[in-house]
Amino acid sequence: GAVVSQHPSRVICKSGTSVKIECRSLDFQATTMFWYRQFPKKSLMLMATSNEGSKATYEQGVEKDKFLINHASLTLSTLTVTSAHPEDSSFYICSARESRGNTEAFFGQGTRLTVV
Amino acid sequence: KQEVTQIPAALSVPEGENLVLNCSFTDSAIYNLQWFRQDPGKGLTSLLLIQSSQREQTSGRLNASLDKSSGRSTLYIAASQPGDSATYLCAVKSGNKLVFGAGTILRVKS
Repeated sequence: GAVVSQHPSRVICKSGTSVKIECRSLDFQATTMFWYRQFPKKSLMLMATSNEGSKATYEQGVEKDKFLINHASLTLSTLTVTSAHPEDSSFYICSARESRGNTEAFFGQGTRLTVV
Repeated sequence: KQEVTQIPAALSVPEGENLVLNCSFTDSAIYNLQWFRQDPGKGLTSLLLIQSSQREQTSGRLNASLDKSSGRSTLYIAASQPGDSATYLCAVKSGNKLVFGAGTILRVKS
């Protein structure tokens, strides 16, 4: 299957700072990328869907000013957690899909964010 | 709103046993269903993808079935091994989104 690379795998930051997480499709062009958040022993919760060159669509209850998503190219999407707080600590996972159709989405390795 | 439920939440079996993981979904209007494996602190590895028109998919010791009309899928693991220990997630594609279950934590004891 196709490869999606997510970076960093782990990050610790201080409260009030911002953290950027990158998601790259290495061997295909990702028209659509998805960002998920996973709480311990819980399911993945979709945060937002981004299509290349357009604004992200956020799920209900997700603050778009806090979780900034940029999908500026067909191989890169970024999630920036702004003014991070301890409650933002979580596991964040991205996925990427090659076209807008019914193709399979491939997942990154995830990023463990700890806000202290 | 699509909801996905996985049963059991956790399962512990001795090595060599065959086992079945269950997944149910509330809205049968899905494009496909996918089973993933997740190791602790890691991302998702896709195991099997079943299109809505298919009934099952097989890969090695894994077999996944889909009964779309009843909103159910099963993942059958034959001759389980300690290396199969992980969390198994089921997800259905509804519209443009994947909706995930909470997962089944599998432990295979040697």
